[in-house]
Amino acid sequence: EAGVTQSPTHLIKTRAQHATLRCSPISGHTSVYWYQQALGLGLQFLLWYDEGEERNRGNFPPRFSGRQFPNYSSELNVNALELEDSALYLCASRLAGLSTDTQYFGPGTRLTVL
Amino acid sequence: AQSVTQLDSQVPVFEEAPVELRCNYSSSVSVYLFWYVQYPNQGLQLLLKYLSGSTLVKGINGFEAEFNKSQTSFHLRKPSVHISDTAEYFCAVSDQNNAGNMLTFGGGTRLMVKP
Repeated sequence: EAGVTQSPTHLIKTRAQHATLRCSPISGHTSVYWYQQALGLGLQFLLWYDEGEERNRGNFPPRFSGRQFPNYSSELNVNALELEDSALYLCASRLAGLSTDTQYFGPGTRLTVL
Repeated sequence: AQSVTQLDSQVPVFEEAPVELRCNYSSSVSVYLFWYVQYPNQGLQLLLKYLSGSTLVKGINGFEAEFNKSQTSFHLRKPSVHISDTAEYFCAVSDQNNAGNMLTFGGGTRLMVKP
């Protein structure tokens, strides 16, 4: 069974540009989560999508947004990039319905903002 | 809201020695508890989780953790570490009553196993 996949592996942008990160969940998983792992700030919850809807978001500005497609894949969009957006962005997927289900993580996309 | 504190940012240990990575949490609600491991340049892999029942939880790669409700702790242990256990370990919690199960992570502990 294929795990969570993310693309691209690395992404280099400059300030004020826009970045799009993609995530494909494990087959059968309908919930997708995005987390940011920034140096010095640790792992922080960004967004949760389930059944195509944004269900919750962490303490991040509106220039962080995303969507979930009918096939449950997801993309994270970051507008007006700032230097502090440089981080590893991790996507996780989960079977919906049971809060006890495990979140399975992808390998991440490393975003560097110059 | 919850918070997680991993008391040690780095833990050096010799190969075949025992190790304990400490995790304390604070929460006004009941939580589920998790330990994840992150190898260099990789995502997170679940080591073990506590949902309910026995407070001693066994996970993969010989790791185990014990939930102590009175001390709000969930320390991770391994009786004998290997070089391959060198990685960053994250403790996390989620609100039992939140269907979204969003994870709140500790700051991580870097385990460095020396030969």
